[in-house]
Amino acid sequence: EAQVTQNPRYLITVTGKKLTVTCSQNMNHEYMSWYRQDPGLGLRQIYYSMNVEVTDKGDVPEGYKVSRKEKRNFPLILESPSPNQTSLYFCASRDSGAAHGYTFGSGTRLTVV
Amino acid sequence: AQSVAQPEDQVNVAEGNPLTVKCTYSVSGNPYLFWYVQYPNRGLQFLLKYITGDNLVKGSYGFEAEFNKSQTSFHLKKPSALVSDSALYFCAVRGPFSGGYNKLIFGAGTRLAVHP
Repeated sequence: EAQVTQNPRYLITVTGKKLTVTCSQNMNHEYMSWYRQDPGLGLRQIYYSMNVEVTDKGDVPEGYKVSRKEKRNFPLILESPSPNQTSLYFCASRDSGAAHGYTFGSGTRLTVV
Repeated sequence: AQSVAQPEDQVNVAEGNPLTVKCTYSVSGNPYLFWYVQYPNRGLQFLLKYITGDNLVKGSYGFEAEFNKSQTSFHLKKPSALVSDSALYFCAVRGPFSGGYNKLIFGAGTRLAVHP
């Protein structure tokens, strides 16, 4: 089944403790992206990647890092999480065709206390 | 700045009645337009998209959307609502326009509540 897999689904952590949210897609998509969802704000892009070793900032990149060492994986790293990063996070991927939409993972609900 | 507006936080409709969830956008050029649905504790599921051509596009679960270029709108519609349609709906746009090719720009979302 074609899908985007995120782990973990739920995570509670403390301020300052480094964490990684993994994302993997099995569709051989070139584009991958991370979004965060906050009430009343919709989804906002954190980082995106156009291919292996090619990443760029989205609209809200502060406090986050990403890497794209393999085509299928695009982990999101929070080096020193803070409470304002409590949110629902989605990984997404799409094919390189101009009109394609994204396929989204099931989400990771992160709480930073 | 490029933006998407969903003017209603919540839409309430009785089962069996038609529903409309509104979306307008403000971007330069001719964007690609999308609707996604989010059920509780689930990710976003693709409903439909408009790229070019017929202004009325049909999608999953009996939904359709009407593109209106002059009003820069892309309203989601369904002729007969089901209780199971209750969910959070997001309108989104993507390039080609400056800064928009590599991301989806989302509206804030509209919660649809269908009552028996």
